[in-house]
Amino acid sequence: GAGVSQSPSNKVTEKGKDVELRCDPISGHTALYWYRQSLGQGLEFLIYFQGNSAPDKSGLPSDRFSAERTGGSVSTLTIQRTQQEDSAVYLCASSSDRGTGNTIYFGEGSWLTVV
Amino acid sequence: KQEVTQIPAALSVPEGENLVLNCSFTDSAIYNLQWFRQDPGKGLTSLLLIQSSQREQTSGRLNASLDKSSGRSTLYIAASQPGDSATYLCAAKAAGNKLTFGGGTRVLVKP
Repeated sequence: GAGVSQSPSNKVTEKGKDVELRCDPISGHTALYWYRQSLGQGLEFLIYFQGNSAPDKSGLPSDRFSAERTGGSVSTLTIQRTQQEDSAVYLCASSSDRGTGNTIYFGEGSWLTVV
Repeated sequence: KQEVTQIPAALSVPEGENLVLNCSFTDSAIYNLQWFRQDPGKGLTSLLLIQSSQREQTSGRLNASLDKSSGRSTLYIAASQPGDSATYLCAAKAAGNKLTFGGGTRVLVKP
């Protein structure tokens, strides 16, 4: 597709279970971001990938969160031993390169509910 | 640490009025500032991007200005329509290519 694609769009999981969220960026985009948006809250930065450089993981809230990006394209955000406070929309975004002036495009998000 | 603030948090106007949305940021060393629109249950749609060297950008009824020295950006929407009802977010991009978002302004345009 032409846009950023995320799956699943909705996920309900039991507390303590692991979840994986997937992001397919726009083809050719080297920069990929993950953000989290809790109900009624702003966007919280999680992690940033740029090409083959080491990712900026400074926003990951705990060691239960991890992300990888295989082959410079698809990314997976993994949350281990989910907690109720992990319930949020997880948004992925991509942009074309390292340039400072490139528009960032967001996916529709993965809505996670931990019960 | 960059902090981005949007005031007011919510705004209601009658159809046809011009909208003025404010965004302020604490660190003026930004690369660019981007405005987004978010509809309920949806992701973010990019509206306008202003480079740090620019003063404004225009797209149709939308105009965004940037004043780095005062740490402010303003989004103007002319002749508002009910379809403009959404949450508008601004985000500042700085070193490390990290975007810092404001909390958003929720806009309701009443017919």
